[in-house]
Amino acid sequence: AQSVTQPDIHITVSEGASLELRCNYSYGATPYLFWYVQSPGQGLQLLLKYFSGDTLVQGIKGFEAEFKRSQSSFNLRKPSVHWSDAAEYFCAVGASGGSYIPTFGRGTSLIVHP
Amino acid sequence: DAGITQSPRHKVTETGTPVTLRCHQTENHRYMYWYRQDPGHGLRLIHYSYGVKDTDKGEVSDGYSVSRSKTEDFLLTLESATSSQTSVYFCAITSGSTLNTGELFFGEGSRLTVL
Repeated sequence: AQSVTQPDIHITVSEGASLELRCNYSYGATPYLFWYVQSPGQGLQLLLKYFSGDTLVQGIKGFEAEFKRSQSSFNLRKPSVHWSDAAEYFCAVGASGGSYIPTFGRGTSLIVHP
Repeated sequence: DAGITQSPRHKVTETGTPVTLRCHQTENHRYMYWYRQDPGHGLRLIHYSYGVKDTDKGEVSDGYSVSRSKTEDFLLTLESATSSQTSVYFCAITSGSTLNTGELFFGEGSRLTVL
């Protein structure tokens, strides 16, 4: 069975600082990986996804993530955080063998200080 | 925009009353899902549907039932609401282009409070 761990429940950064949110997964084969963002009172929106190919993927809003098979990680990064990035971030894994049921991490809450 | 509408968006009810949440989609997607979101637990799958009248349980299905009598509507019912079912409920779909990958598109959520 697949699983996802987001080790940080809360992350606080200053506006303009760089950001890295951690995600580790467990899955026996090559996974499909996702990062979603949830603004307060909203549904989840896809930030980026990895299926295959280049291990560094670009997403919306200036975010990127890097798939590292050796570390079973898919960390989300942004070079300069804006106050509007304050939100909840979820990492998810779908099974490349064909799964209609993704597994979500518990989320990381990003707080941005001015 | 995946054309997902949830109703009601907010509801307050009392323990023991039945509650039905509706998810409506406009784009004929086959797969639909109901999740609940609670602090510290992230998203947990309640039930999902892979076609009209075809549904299956998720990891937290106790106390919930679902129905899908037509493609566009997926109903989540709490037969007798309890305070532990106070949560935010999200409907999601998998589109044809993302089928079989696990990529989901979400509705805006329904906040349910059970007093």
